[in-house]
Parts: sequence; C-alpha cells; structure tokens
Amino acid sequence: DGGITQSPKYLFRKEGQNVTLSCEQNLNHDAMYWYRQDPGQGLRLIYYSQIVNDFQKGDIAEGYSVSREKKESFPLTVTSAQKNPTAFYLCASRVGVLEVNEQFFGPGTRLTVL
Amino acid sequence: QQPVQSPQAVILREGEDAVINCSSSKALYSVHWYRQKHGEAPVFLMILLKGGEQKGHEKISASFNEKKQQSSLYLTASQLSYSGTYFCGTESSYNQGGKLIFGQGTELSVKP
Repeated sequence: DGGITQSPKYLFRKEGQNVTLSCEQNLNHDAMYWYRQDPGQGLRLIYYSQIVNDFQKGDIAEGYSVSREKKESFPLTVTSAQKNPTAFYLCASRVGVLEVNEQFFGPGTRLTVL
Repeated sequence: QQPVQSPQAVILREGEDAVINCSSSKALYSVHWYRQKHGEAPVFLMILLKGGEQKGHEKISASFNEKKQQSSLYLTASQLSYSGTYFCGTESSYNQGGKLIFGQGTELSVKP
C-alpha cells in the first residue's frame, strides 16, 4: 500500500539535544512538507520541498533543518536552537505543484523535550 | 496571513446540520478542507479552486466565494463519525510550491 510513514510515533529528548524525525513516502510524489501542530492550534509550515535537492523555508523554520537527497525521504532535524520544540510534527506530500492537488499526511511524531 | 475559521467549536446532535466558514484577507487561488481526529493525521475532504472547479468526496459539500475570499463547508445529516477538528488551508496563487496556510481549526462534536 502506498503512503507516508513517520517514525517514531513518540520521541523523548533532553533539552539541548538535536533530534531527527523521519518521513518516508512511496507515493512517488515530488513535493513534501513539514508542519508543526501545537495543542488547540492549526498546522504551521516549517519547511517544504518541491523537488529533490531543493527546499524552502516555511513560516517557522528557525531552529529546524531539512534535507531532500532522495525523492521518497524528507527528514527533519530539530536543533537545540529551537526554543520550544515540544509539539506534534506532521509530514505531508503532494504529487506535484503544477496542478492543485491534495496533500497526504503521515501519522505524525509527537516530540517531547524534557 | 492565517485564514480565520468560524465558529471555533460546535456541538451537534446526530442528524443535525452545520456550516463551517473560512475567511481570508488575501485573494485566494484555492481552499483545501481537512478533518483531523485527535492525535491522528488530517484527512483530505475537498479542494475548491478559483473559477469553480472542485475536487473531493462526493458526500462533502462546500462553496467558495471568490469576491469575499470565503469558503464554507456544509455538513448535513451529521453522523458520529463527523466529529473532529476541521481545518481550511489556503493557497494565494498556483506557483507557491503547493504550500498551504491553515486556519486555527473548528472543533465539531456530534452527540448521539
């Protein structure tokens, strides 16, 4: 079955440590996105990538980094510079950006920084 | 700018109807609607494009007023499974990499 996988589902880290969240898709989609969701709030865009080896900052990119070395993978690193990293992180993909299509979301990773 | 959704929350009895609105201060190219159950991934419901095209589930009804930059999602004869938080996401043009700006969400609870 095609879809998006995110691992792990729950992640705990100590303050000051970098952590990398995995996002893999087998939908053959060109575009991928990372969102952050805080309790009772909407989704805020962190980074997005329209094609392999290219990515752009979203609205809240500070303290985060990404890479897009393969079409199917778009890992997100939460660095120690992110002041309040505890949140629910969602990865999404879309077939392309030339036509308007829906985004497909992964199950999410809940990160807690202690 | 983030679109504004209204109402923030609504409680229904099974079989009742509801309307969820999404307003933007910017000209819009498309509006996307998603439903999210607690702790789960958002699920796609519908896309409405400038010019009238729609993509989505047949059982979902929505409108897009281009002049007012508003979209409304119509939930009729609600079922328990309709419960969740509904988000609208907006695109202001077609060449922005497909990125969406989401509203703050509308929490819908359907009671037996």
